[in-house]
Amino acid sequence: QVQLVESGGGVVQPGTSLRLSCAVSGFTFNSYAMHWVRQTPGKGLDWVAHIWHDESNRYYADSVRGRFTISRDNSKNTLYLQMNSLRAEDTAVYYCARDSVIRQVPKYGMDVWGQGTTVTVSS
Amino acid sequence: QSALTQPPSASGSPGQSVTISCAGTSSDVGAYNYVSWYQQHPGKAPKLMIYEVSKRPSGVPDRFSGSKSGNTASLTVSGLQTEDEADYYCISYAGSNNLGVFGGGTKLTVL
Repeated sequence: QVQLVESGGGVVQPGTSLRLSCAVSGFTFNSYAMHWVRQTPGKGLDWVAHIWHDESNRYYADSVRGRFTISRDNSKNTLYLQMNSLRAEDTAVYYCARDSVIRQVPKYGMDVWGQGTTVTVSS
Repeated sequence: QSALTQPPSASGSPGQSVTISCAGTSSDVGAYNYVSWYQQHPGKAPKLMIYEVSKRPSGVPDRFSGSKSGNTASLTVSGLQTEDEADYYCISYAGSNNLGVFGGGTKLTVL
């Protein structure tokens, strides 16, 4: 069964850090690019970052570049999002998602999603 | 990195067809055939409905179709059913720096 399970969310103060994890099962993790997407309560979807299947490239939205780092451990079938210098506007549900193409440049067809983990940044 | 433009709402009666637009620019929607559409029911994760403008993943009913003309992509839902009532989002690959840009979302109501 193909499954993505996020963890690591919580309530943190502005300026602090948090690391999200996404445990993957049911498919060959190292063949797929992976994305983080977030959704502010009651609002729309916001693409955050992606990392290629072989870790050779990673890209970020302007709003998080320089503060967030996406990484993966293909030996542990796990995707990460290190979030530093958190701001109130980073409050959201964070989803990890699999890009549907195999060993190619991601094309933003995200065919498998986790259930999301909630991050709240508040003083 | 500007968001794609979608109408905030759309509606139709059961059995009818409805089309949701997703307007971008010549740097994203117009430049690449990498537009995807997602359906999201309240409290649920998004679900991929269309990828690469017009391709349907297995399991998605053929009532859902996608197209593109110039800088605007469209999602058409034919033969509307009550379970189609949801939020729909488009996203396009946006070229330089491999960025992804979502639309603001469209709430589809089945009357």
